[in-house]
Amino acid sequence: ETGVTQSPTHLIKTRGQQVTLRCSSQSGHNTVSWYQQALGQGPQFIFQYYREEENGRGNFPPRFSGLQFPNYSSELNVNALELDDSALYLCASSLGAREQYFGPGTRLTVT
Amino acid sequence: GDSVTQMEGPVTLSEEAFLTINCTYTATGYPSLFWYVQYPGEGLQLLLKATKADDKGSNKGFEATYRKETTSFHLEKGSVQVSDSAVYFCALSDEKLTFGTGTRLTIIP
Repeated sequence: ETGVTQSPTHLIKTRGQQVTLRCSSQSGHNTVSWYQQALGQGPQFIFQYYREEENGRGNFPPRFSGLQFPNYSSELNVNALELDDSALYLCASSLGAREQYFGPGTRLTVT
Repeated sequence: GDSVTQMEGPVTLSEEAFLTINCTYTATGYPSLFWYVQYPGEGLQLLLKATKADDKGSNKGFEATYRKETTSFHLEKGSVQVSDSAVYFCALSDEKLTFGTGTRLTIIP
């Protein structure tokens, strides 16, 4: 059974640019949630996708957007990057509302 | 809204010491409660969970009991090892996860 995978592992972007992060969910899971973890903090919920529809959103501006594909993989897009967007972005998959399993994360640095 | 308050760190203990990391929560409903562990440079791993009041979650020698009367879910281990050094997060779930700020644990030989 393949776990949750994320790509890329690290990336560096410049303020104002756009970025796309990718997540492949664990086999059999239909729900993907995205979290932002700033250095030294707990993860903060960005949004969740269930069967290709957004199913809840945290306190993040509209420049954070996402997609879920028919195979339940997902993308997180961030436009107009700001310095404060530098963080570890975590993807978690689950079967509906059951426990979430996390990927290793993507470390984004905005300069 | 829902929130989780977690014991401030960092915590440093000697090997074989007893561990307690305190966690209290505020929630409007009846959430499930979790402890996650994060090793350096890695994502989060589910350590244990409890889904209703008085449930005890346990794994790898760690335990936590869902106490509705005190809104707490304290993490305990009777004898810690160097390999337990990591950051521990308490979390509650109402479909989305709400995390505490994390407690960094260092075990010295």
